[in-house]
Amino acid sequence: AQSVAQPEDQVNVAEGNPLTVKCTYSVSGNPYLFWYVQYPNRGLQFLLKYITGDNLVKGSYGFEAEFNKSQTSFHLKKPSALVSDSALYFCAVNKAAGNKLTFGGGTRVLVKP
Amino acid sequence: NAGVTQTPKFRVLKTGQSMTLLCAQDMNHEYMYWYRQDPGMGLRLIHYSVGEGTTAKGEVPDGYNVSRLKKQNFLLGLESAAPSQTSVYFCASSYGGLYGYTFGSGTRLTVV
Repeated sequence: AQSVAQPEDQVNVAEGNPLTVKCTYSVSGNPYLFWYVQYPNRGLQFLLKYITGDNLVKGSYGFEAEFNKSQTSFHLKKPSALVSDSALYFCAVNKAAGNKLTFGGGTRVLVKP
Repeated sequence: NAGVTQTPKFRVLKTGQSMTLLCAQDMNHEYMYWYRQDPGMGLRLIHYSVGEGTTAKGEVPDGYNVSRLKKQNFLLGLESAAPSQTSVYFCASSYGGLYGYTFGSGTRLTVV
């Protein structure tokens, strides 16, 4: 079975400060890892993914994520947060050759001016 | 390019009523999914389909049925709605594991 844990229900950060949203996963074999963002009353939007290769993945809106195989983590980061980054963020995992994503419980990010 | 379209966007049902949620995608994706989103519980997979004419149960299938008669459409049915089915329902589609999902904008369902 595959699973994702997002240990923080909410992350508060001041605008301009670095933002980190944590994610750890469990999956048999090689993982495919994804981050999605959900703005109020909207569907989930794709941010970035890790399939293979460089452990640092760059995505939309200035976000990046670092894959750490030994720690089974895929933390989302942004060097300088914006108020508009306030949203709900989901980490998801799929095993290689699988076709079903398993999502974490989500982390609400609040960026204060 | 519409992507994934869900109808309706909002619905209020009385307990025991039935309804069908429609999901349509125009990206020629093989895989389609229905999730429900509840506060504090993230997204839970209800049913999914790996191709036209095929469906499979997900994590929380009880009380729901699905059909995929055409590749572009995936229907979610509630035969006898219960208050526990009050939720936001999301449809998604995908080419397969490498590609992630494209999500619809959701259907907010309230069962009273």
